[in-house]
Amino acid sequence: ETGVTQSPTHLIKTRGQQVTLRCSSQSGHNTVSWYQQALGQGPQFIFQYYREEENGRGNFPPRFSGLQFPNYSSELNVNALELDDSALYLCASSRGLDGGMDTQYFGPGTRLTVL
Amino acid sequence: GNSVTQMEGPVTLSEEAFLTINCTYTATGYPSLFWYVQYPGEGLQLLLKATKADDKGSNKGFEATYRKETTSFHLEKGSVQVSDSAVYFCALSKIYNQGGKLIFGQGTELSVKP
Repeated sequence: ETGVTQSPTHLIKTRGQQVTLRCSSQSGHNTVSWYQQALGQGPQFIFQYYREEENGRGNFPPRFSGLQFPNYSSELNVNALELDDSALYLCASSRGLDGGMDTQYFGPGTRLTVL
Repeated sequence: GNSVTQMEGPVTLSEEAFLTINCTYTATGYPSLFWYVQYPGEGLQLLLKATKADDKGSNKGFEATYRKETTSFHLEKGSVQVSDSAVYFCALSKIYNQGGKLIFGQGTELSVKP
């Protein structure tokens, strides 16, 4: 069973640019959640996708957007990058409530640095 | 609102010492509770979970019991090893619609010395 994978591993961008991060969910999972983890902090929920629809959003501005594809992989897009967007971005997949479980399994993350 | 509070780190222990990391939560309803571990430079790994009151989650010698009366989910291990050095996150799952979002504590760094 393949776990959650994310790409790229590391990324360096400059302020004002746009970035796309990618995530492949674990086999059998239809729900993908994205989290931002600033240095020394716990992860903060950005949004969740269930069967290609956004299913909840945290306290992040609209320049954070996402997609989920028919194979349940997902993208996180961030426009107009700011210095404070520098963080580890984590993707997690789960069965949602279809499988009667809410356990989320995380990928290794993408380290984004904004200069 | 929903929140998780963990004891502050770093926690430094000698190998084979007893570990306790305190975690308390505030939530409406009956959330599921989780402990995740993060090794340096890596993502989060699920360590253990409990889905209802008085459930005990356990894995790799770690244990935590869901205590509704004290709204706590403390992590314990009887004898830590150097390889347990990592950051530990307590989290609760808030269910809505078809899924749930995780709300994390700030993390507790554990350092185990030989």
